[in-house]
Amino acid sequence: AQSVTQPDIHITVSEGASLELRCNYSYGATPYLFWYVQSPGQGLQLLLKYFSGDTLVQGIKGFEAEFKRSQSSFNLRKPSVHWSDAAEYFCAVGANTGNQFYFGTGTSLTVIP
Amino acid sequence: EAQVTQNPRYLITVTGKKLTVTCSQNMNHEYMSWYRQDPGLGLRQIYYSMNVEVTDKGDVPEGYKVSRKEKRNFPLILESPSPNQTSLYFCASSPRGGYGYTFGSGTRLTVV
Repeated sequence: AQSVTQPDIHITVSEGASLELRCNYSYGATPYLFWYVQSPGQGLQLLLKYFSGDTLVQGIKGFEAEFKRSQSSFNLRKPSVHWSDAAEYFCAVGANTGNQFYFGTGTSLTVIP
Repeated sequence: EAQVTQNPRYLITVTGKKLTVTCSQNMNHEYMSWYRQDPGLGLRQIYYSMNVEVTDKGDVPEGYKVSRKEKRNFPLILESPSPNQTSLYFCASSPRGGYGYTFGSGTRLTVV
């Protein structure tokens, strides 16, 4: 069965520090992979997506993610975190067929001055 | 502007009183979907639609109904709301189900 695991429920980083949010997936075929961000009281905004090709994907707001097939991972990174990055981050996996689209349970990011 | 619009943003209702949450998208997307978001459980799919008059259950369909009479609209209906349906609801649309969804701003529903 398809699934997405975000092992870290909550992460705290200092402003200006680097960030890595982990995502592991279980999927039988080559997946489509996504990262969404949800700011407090807001809907979900797509940060980046991977369908195929270059395994390092650039997104909005200075985020990037790397697809590692051997590790079934799609970790999100940012070299220098800003206070405005404090939010909930969701990893998701989809496919080219049907309605297969699954979310992880999210990682809450706190940024301290 | 490409968007998914859902209304209302906030709704407080009483147990058993039928309600409808509307959802509309202007991107001509084939797929539309409803999710509920609860603390610690992430987003769970309630129903989805692959096209007009084509709908199917997601992971948590009990207590909900949907319809897709027009491509742009996908209302969520709670015939007899109960307190366990208190949640944050999101409508979303996608050109195809697995391509990633564009989300609405959410409807916070409280059933007392």
